[in-house]
Amino acid sequence: DAKTTQPNSMESNEEEPVHLPCNHSTISGTDYIHWYRQLPSQGPEYVIHGLTSNVNNRMASLAIAEDRKSSTLILHRATLRDAAVYYCILRRQFSNTGKLIFGQGTTLQVKP
Amino acid sequence: EAGVVQSPRYKIIEKKQPVAFWCNPISGHNTLYWYLQNLGQGPELLIRYENEEAVDDSQLPKDRFSAERLKGVDSTLKIQPAELGDSAVYLCASSLDLSGELFFGEGSRLTVL
Repeated sequence: DAKTTQPNSMESNEEEPVHLPCNHSTISGTDYIHWYRQLPSQGPEYVIHGLTSNVNNRMASLAIAEDRKSSTLILHRATLRDAAVYYCILRRQFSNTGKLIFGQGTTLQVKP
Repeated sequence: EAGVVQSPRYKIIEKKQPVAFWCNPISGHNTLYWYLQNLGQGPELLIRYENEEAVDDSQLPKDRFSAERLKGVDSTLKIQPAELGDSAVYLCASSLDLSGELFFGEGSRLTVL
């Protein structure tokens, strides 16, 4: 399974945009890029996923590099509630495995 | 709609004792996962079920861990006997199918003394 590399931690100010980077240089053509986040004392929750094109949903945006070797999760206006560990995960589609393999993620701190 | 329900939320036991965790997935979800999460680490997959069948249990330490998913709905994860190193959070998740988004429960925190 292809690996991802994320910074261990990041800081942001409340109501400012946050860009969380992820490198995945060994990504294969059938790997989707998934983002989950884990709030304190909670299980992880799905944020967004994409394959090649940029994606938007009510929680965040996902910007994928043209060569797909990196991506960025964008929180448009960080709130205190967005303080969490963010996991960037590659998930192989059209496979009977398709399992999610979590790394250590990026711990996002949001300052008021 | 209810999410993934796990119990107990917290469990403290002495080493060598048995322990069991229960998971009720979201209704209609065919795929169920058990993950282990150590402090400061990301979750690690222990076992994955497609209906009643365990389709991936390669990471489950079978000498002391066992799991079952009777009737393809609820699942239990058992540890017997527990060791100090088993102290962790045990997370259950479910998805519609093998490729669907995962929905996680709040986890069961185990402390082994």
